[in-house]
Amino acid sequence: DGGITQSPKYLFRKEGQNVTLSCEQNLNHDAMYWYRQDPGQGLRLIYYSQIVNDFQKGDIAEGYSVSREKKESFPLTVTSAQKNPTAFYLCASCQGQNSNQPQHFGDGTRLSIL
Amino acid sequence: GNSVTQMEGPVTLSEEAFLTINCTYTATGYPSLFWYVQYPGEGLQLLLKATKADDKGSNKGFEATYRKETTSFHLEKGSVQVSDSAVYFCSAVSSGSARQLTFGSGTQLTVLP
Repeated sequence: DGGITQSPKYLFRKEGQNVTLSCEQNLNHDAMYWYRQDPGQGLRLIYYSQIVNDFQKGDIAEGYSVSREKKESFPLTVTSAQKNPTAFYLCASCQGQNSNQPQHFGDGTRLSIL
Repeated sequence: GNSVTQMEGPVTLSEEAFLTINCTYTATGYPSLFWYVQYPGEGLQLLLKATKADDKGSNKGFEATYRKETTSFHLEKGSVQVSDSAVYFCSAVSSGSARQLTFGSGTQLTVLP
C-alpha cells in the first residue's frame, strides 16, 4: 500500500541539540509539506517542496531546515535556534502544485524537550 | 491568499445526535474544499471533498455541500457515534500554487454514550 511514513513516532531533544525528523512517501507525489501542530491548535506550515532540489519557507520556518534530494524523502531538521520545539509534527504530500487533490498525511512525530 | 474559518469547539454531543460544524472560506478563484479528521495521536485523514460549486462530498455518514453563494462547506451527520469523537479540520486549496493550501483551526468533537 502507498503512503507516508514518519519516524520516529516520539523524539526527545536536549538543549542545544539538532534533531532530524524523517518523512518518506511512496505515492510518487511531487509536493511535500511539513506542519507543526500545538495542543488545541490548527496546522501551521513550516516548509514545503514542489519538486526535487527545491523548497520554500512556510509561515513559521525560523529554527527549521529541510532538504529534498529525492522525490520520496523530505526530512525536517529542528535546530537549536528553535526555542520552543515541543509540538506534534506532521508531514504531508500531494500530487503537485497544479492539482486540487487532497493532501495525504503521515501519522506524525511528537517532539519533546528533555 | 485563502483563509478558512471554522466553528470553534469543543463540541459535545450525545450519541445519535445531529452534528453540524460550520466552515466558511475566502479564496482566490474557485478552490477545492476538504474535510479532514484527526484521531488522537494520529495524522489527518481525508474525510470528504468537493471540487466545484454545488458538489456534495459524503463519506461514513458525513456530508458537506460546496455553497459558492455563501462561501461555506458545513459538515453534517445525522446521527453521531462515540467513534466519531475526533478533531475535524476544514481546508481549502486553489490550484496553481502550493502556498494556497489553508486549514481551519480544527473543531474538537466528543460524543458521549
